[in-house]
Amino acid sequence: DAGVIQSPRHEVTEMGQEVTLRCKPISGHDYLFWYRQTMMRGLELLIYFNNNVPIDDSGMPEDRFSAKMPNASFSTLKIQPSEPRDSAVYFCASSSRDRNTEAFFGQGTRLTVV
Amino acid sequence: AQRVTQPEKLLSVFKGAPVELKCNYSYSGSPELFWYVQYSRQRLQLLLRHISRESIKGFTADLNKGETSFHLKKPFAQEEDSAMYYCALRSYGQNFVFGPGTRLSVLP
Repeated sequence: DAGVIQSPRHEVTEMGQEVTLRCKPISGHDYLFWYRQTMMRGLELLIYFNNNVPIDDSGMPEDRFSAKMPNASFSTLKIQPSEPRDSAVYFCASSSRDRNTEAFFGQGTRLTVV
Repeated sequence: AQRVTQPEKLLSVFKGAPVELKCNYSYSGSPELFWYVQYSRQRLQLLLRHISRESIKGFTADLNKGETSFHLKKPFAQEEDSAMYYCALRSYGQNFVFGPGTRLSVLP
C-alpha cells in the first residue's frame, strides 16, 4: 500500500477563494482523521470518520469548514471562503479499529491563504 | 476527559547526552499510548507504541500507570534525533489525542 495520500502537497490561494483538500486513506482502514497543524496551536483534530460516517466534528473551527467522506477510499476537507488565518498544514490520517494500532499520516497539505 | 500533556515545548541537549521527553496522560482504564516523531516538514511517523516494549532508534518508553506517564528516553542523543516529538493516546471514541509536542534539539 502506498500509505495515506493527500493532494495537493502545497496550495496557495487568495482570501475568499474556495479550497478543497483531498485524502485517500489506507485500504481497509475504518477510521479517517483530519488534523490541522500550526506553530501556535500545535496539532488539532478537526473531524474524524468511522466507516465513512462523521463521528466528531467539534474541532471544525467554523461553518466555513466542511468535510465529506463519500466512500471508503476518499475524503475531502473544504474551506469556503478561505481566510489568511486558515494558513496551516492539514494532515489526513487513517487507522483500523484493531487495538494498539497507530494512526498513519499522509504527507500533509501546506495551505497558504494570501 | 482524556488528555495528554508534554510539559517541555523545547528541549536542548548536547550530542551524546541522555535525553528524556516527558509525557503524562489522563485516562480511565488501559490506555493505548504512542510516540510519534516529525522531522522537519515531513509527516508524523510512529516511533513507539507502549504495547511493543521495543527500542526504536535507541529510544524506549515505559508506561507507568501509577504516575500516568509514558516518558521517552534515549541514553545517548544523536544530532539526527533533532525533531518534533508527540505523545498520543487513543481515546474511547477511537480518535487519537495528541500532546502539544516537544521540539528536541541535539547540539553538536
